[in-house]
Amino acid sequence: GAVVSQHPSWVICKSGTSVKIECRSLDFQATTMFWYRQFPKQSLMLMATSNEGSKATYEQGVEKDKFLINHASLTLSTLTVTSAHPEDSSFYICSANAGYGYTFGSGTRLTVV
Amino acid sequence: QKEVEQNSGPLSVPEGAIASLNCTYSDRGSQSFFWYRQYSGKSPELIMSIYSNGDKEDGRFTAQLNKASQYVSLLIRDSQPSDSATYLCAVGRGSTLGRLYFGRGTQLTVWP
Repeated sequence: GAVVSQHPSWVICKSGTSVKIECRSLDFQATTMFWYRQFPKQSLMLMATSNEGSKATYEQGVEKDKFLINHASLTLSTLTVTSAHPEDSSFYICSANAGYGYTFGSGTRLTVV
Repeated sequence: QKEVEQNSGPLSVPEGAIASLNCTYSDRGSQSFFWYRQYSGKSPELIMSIYSNGDKEDGRFTAQLNKASQYVSLLIRDSQPSDSATYLCAVGRGSTLGRLYFGRGTQLTVWP
């Protein structure tokens, strides 16, 4: 089946630094990538929707200057958490429509210390 | 009112039993419905998708959709301990390329 490769799987960073998360669609073209955040024991919360070649659409309450999304090609979308703080520690997951349904990346566990 | 609501659980069933997971949604225009399984610390994986009223079976899993009642369910027959996970109901509106709305998930434990 269609695979979305997400890296890194986990990252620990210092407060104030930036972290980039990559999602690649390996065997299909993802014109749209959805970025989610999940806190412990909570459901997935959509942060933003990225479209290849255009600006991302952010959900209400999500700071677009803090969570930078780039979707430069049909197979690569990136999320950069800028000036990370401990409250940004979470599980970040990307997802794309593979034709038969939405497939998810393996997720990135971000811990900001 | 939340877009998608699920029984919060936790749901606990013995091995071999039928586990029944329920989900309701608020938008009558919803057209696509999904059940995902999420193990602790992992990302969700698609179990079933359903688009029309009625039942859809895949192995031990059966999804049921009733658009008039805005209700979708997942039955797991012959439950196994490996089925222990959180099950997420997701609903899509209109185009299949659009965003999904997720419920909070139901935690299922299957005990041997």
